[in-house]
Amino acid sequence: KNQVEQSPQSLIILEGKNCTLQCNYTVSPFSNLRWYKQDTGRGPVSLTIMTFSENTKSNGRYTATLDADTKQSSLHITASQLSDSASYICVVTYNYGQNFVFGPGTRLSVLP
Amino acid sequence: GAGVSQSPSNKVTEKGKDVELRCDPISGHTALYWYRQRLGQGLEFLIYFQGNSAPDKSGLPSDRFSAERTGESVSTLTIQRTQQEDSAVYLCASSLYGQGNTEAFFGQGTRLTVV
Repeated sequence: KNQVEQSPQSLIILEGKNCTLQCNYTVSPFSNLRWYKQDTGRGPVSLTIMTFSENTKSNGRYTATLDADTKQSSLHITASQLSDSASYICVVTYNYGQNFVFGPGTRLSVLP
Repeated sequence: GAGVSQSPSNKVTEKGKDVELRCDPISGHTALYWYRQRLGQGLEFLIYFQGNSAPDKSGLPSDRFSAERTGESVSTLTIQRTQQEDSAVYLCASSLYGQGNTEAFFGQGTRLTVV
C-alpha cells in the first residue's frame, strides 16, 4: 500500500533552536517528494521539491534531504523563528507523476 | 487571478441541508484538486480534475459528494444532505498540469460547520 508517515506528530521547540522532521514513504515507483508548510487557517505552501537523484535541497533556513534507497526524507529547520510554527506536510508523488500521497503532517510550535 | 480563491471562507449549515463550495483556480492551470482536512488531521484527497473531466474521483467519501468543473476554470464541490461528520476545512488547489509534476497552489479553504 502506498503510504507516507511522518514523525514526530507534534514538536515544541524554543525560538532559535534547530529541529528535524522525518518523512518515511512506501510509494512506488517514486517520482518526487515535496515538503509543504501549512500555517493555521491557510492552505499549504510548497517549501521544496526533490527528485530521485537529489540528496539535499535548501530554501533559506529549511533544508530537505532525501534517501531514495531507504525511502526517507527529512526537513531540517535552522535557527527557528516564531513564524515557523505551522504544520509541515510531506507529499510523495509516484506512478510517473500520476498520483500523490499526503503525509499526516508534523505540527511544529516555536515558543519564545 | 493571482492565486486560488475559495468561497465562502466560512459556512455554517444545518444537518440535512445541501451546500456548494466554490473554487477559482489560478488562470491557465489545467489541473484542479479538492481536499478535506478535519480538525487536527492531514489532508484527505477527494477529487482531481484535468480540464473539465475528473479522471480520479476515488476520494469522494459517499454519493452525497459531487463536484464539477466548467470552462476549465471554476469548480464547485456539492455536499448533499450534510452530516456533522462533514464538518471540516475543504481545500482546493490548482497546478499548471499533471497531478504531481508541477507545484500545486492551495486556496485558503472553506471551513464548513454542520450543526
